[in-house]
Amino acid sequence: ETGVTQTPRHLVMGMTNKKSLKCEQHLGHNAMYWYKQSAKKPLELMFVYSLEERVENNSVPSRFSPECPNSSHLFLHLHTLQPEDSALYLCASSQSGTGAYNEQFFGPGTRLTVL
Amino acid sequence: GQNIDQPTEMTATEGAIVQINCTYQTSGFNGLFWYQQHAGEAPTFLSYNVLDGLEEKGRFSSFLSRSKGYSYLLLKELQMKDSASYLCAVRVNTGFQKLVFGTGTRLLVSP
Repeated sequence: ETGVTQTPRHLVMGMTNKKSLKCEQHLGHNAMYWYKQSAKKPLELMFVYSLEERVENNSVPSRFSPECPNSSHLFLHLHTLQPEDSALYLCASSQSGTGAYNEQFFGPGTRLTVL
Repeated sequence: GQNIDQPTEMTATEGAIVQINCTYQTSGFNGLFWYQQHAGEAPTFLSYNVLDGLEEKGRFSSFLSRSKGYSYLLLKELQMKDSASYLCAVRVNTGFQKLVFGTGTRLLVSP
């Protein structure tokens, strides 16, 4: 596997379910991100992990719970979601530091539908 | 607050040139990125500007004016495969460097 992978690619869940999204990066990066992408809205940053430590939590409801066990893996645990949480959830990774680019590489996303 | 504006949608013809504009008002500016996103796929990196001026990369060029809070992405010799959304993102430093995205510009290239 190369780049950033996400599983599952599609997920349908009820409001009472508990599920987890998984992201894995094979680029040797030390920072990982969760974004939410809804129709006609900008990509919204949810969480940032740098060196496995959470450095950003953008006022995300507690029904979303991130976990970063190591620098290659990132999870987003979901419970008691609402229909308005239906969106594309994108994971990204980058090399944090003072490099010129340090661009973020994105995974293909998980399309989440909450019924 | 952080604010990034770009047109919602643009159309162009195969072989033509199109310019997608992006204006921003942000604090802690530390570079501007353009990403391309095809429907149902991941955004992919296109270009990066941190100093004023033009960066050219094949058919794609990106321009930045920090004093005006303005950037554009120029696509030449358009091809059908260029139909996609183009995302403007500003990197800001608020204790930790992060990207703030615009809503994206959907470009439709017709024959």
